[in-house]
Amino acid sequence: SQKIEQNSEALNIQEGKTATLTCNYTNYSPAYLQWYRQDPGRGPVFLLLIRENEKEKRKERLKVTFDTTLKQSLFHITASQPADSATYLCALDGSGGSYIPTFGRGTSLIVHP
Amino acid sequence: EAGVTQFPSHSVIEKGQTVTLRCDPISGHDNLYWYRRVMGKEIKFLLHFVKESKQDESGMPNNRFLAERTGGTYSTLKVQPAELEDSGVYFCASSPIDSNQPQHFGDGTRLSIL
Repeated sequence: SQKIEQNSEALNIQEGKTATLTCNYTNYSPAYLQWYRQDPGRGPVFLLLIRENEKEKRKERLKVTFDTTLKQSLFHITASQPADSATYLCALDGSGGSYIPTFGRGTSLIVHP
Repeated sequence: EAGVTQFPSHSVIEKGQTVTLRCDPISGHDNLYWYRRVMGKEIKFLLHFVKESKQDESGMPNNRFLAERTGGTYSTLKVQPAELEDSGVYFCASSPIDSNQPQHFGDGTRLSIL
């Protein structure tokens, strides 16, 4: 079955630096991949979707890359701010191209002022 | 526009009791989804409604869980009888009928079974 791996250790960085989070997956070839942000006690908030035929996607300070050969997506936040501190979830599409996402466990990002 | 709302935000019940969770999707969203996150695990899909019809209920853990969406508006998820392993955070999400649109999540109901 498909497996999604996100670093379980929190990523600590200084304000102003670029944060890079990794999502690796196995046993699957997703048609697309999504990134969500989740704050404590809140539901996930959709950030970006990247399709298998797209190498890179940007939205303001966010950038996502998708390498189907490495089976990996990288999520970058440039000029990070303390307000960016949250858990970031990677999600693949379901089997058969379903739009029901399969989530990873997420990586916590802590941006220090 | 109002977001997805879930009620209650927290529920603490004893094993064997019944609990009903409610989700009000964004107005006009035909797709409604239920998910669950057990502590330490990832968010997992439970089921999907399109309007009042169950499109996919492959994630429902067992027959103690019953979801309804009468009239195609709000949805309820009933657990009867509750077991210890049902503890977790239950999320609801909705999206427009166009499957290319992202899902909007509620803040979840934290369910604790004692």
